Amino acid sequence: GEDVEQSLFLSVREGDSSVINCTYTDSSSTYLYWYKQEPGAGLQLLTYIFSNMDMKQDQRLTVLLNKKDKHLSLRIADTQTGDSAIYFCAESITGFQKLVFGTGTRLLVSP
Amino acid sequence: NAGVTQTPKFRVLKTGQSMTLLCAQDMNHEYMYWYRQDPGMGLRLIHYSVGEGTTAKGEVPDGYNVSRLKKQNFLLGLESAAPSQTSVYFCASSGQGGTEAFFGQGTRLTVV
Repeated sequence: GEDVEQSLFLSVREGDSSVINCTYTDSSSTYLYWYKQEPGAGLQLLTYIFSNMDMKQDQRLTVLLNKKDKHLSLRIADTQTGDSAIYFCAESITGFQKLVFGTGTRLLVSP
Repeated sequence: NAGVTQTPKFRVLKTGQSMTLLCAQDMNHEYMYWYRQDPGMGLRLIHYSVGEGTTAKGEVPDGYNVSRLKKQNFLLGLESAAPSQTSVYFCASSGQGGTEAFFGQGTRLTVV
């Protein structure tokens, strides 16, 4: 079955790097995603990685995928207070966006 | 460009009442989805649609019905609301072959 797990909470200081981790169980995942949710708002796609890639970098964001261990991580460099939000890992098994979400990691960035 | 719009944004229902949540998208997307978000559980798929006139069950469909009479609209109905349906509901849409789902701002529903 499909199952995506994340740690619930991460606290960092402004300027540090943040690393949010995710594990998934279905090896047939096609795409893996990171979404950001700010308080009272919907989900915003941050980045995604195709399952045949190991790494993707997009400005301050670096996504690492370890297919053997079914482990996905999101690294945010130079974390800012505006990065405080809930971050969701999600996987897509089928060709469209029938997403399976993790529980979300609440990132708190302190000045 | 409005994207995905959900109405209403907030609603309080009494147990046993019915209501319909409306989702509208203006991106001509084929696929639409309804998710619910509960604390510590992430988002779970309720129902989805792969095109006008089609619907399918997701992970947690019980107690909900949906309709997709027009391509741009996806309605989520609660026939007899229960306190367990207190949640934040998100609608999303995606294009055929696309890699991104676009989410609405959510509807916070409380059933008392």
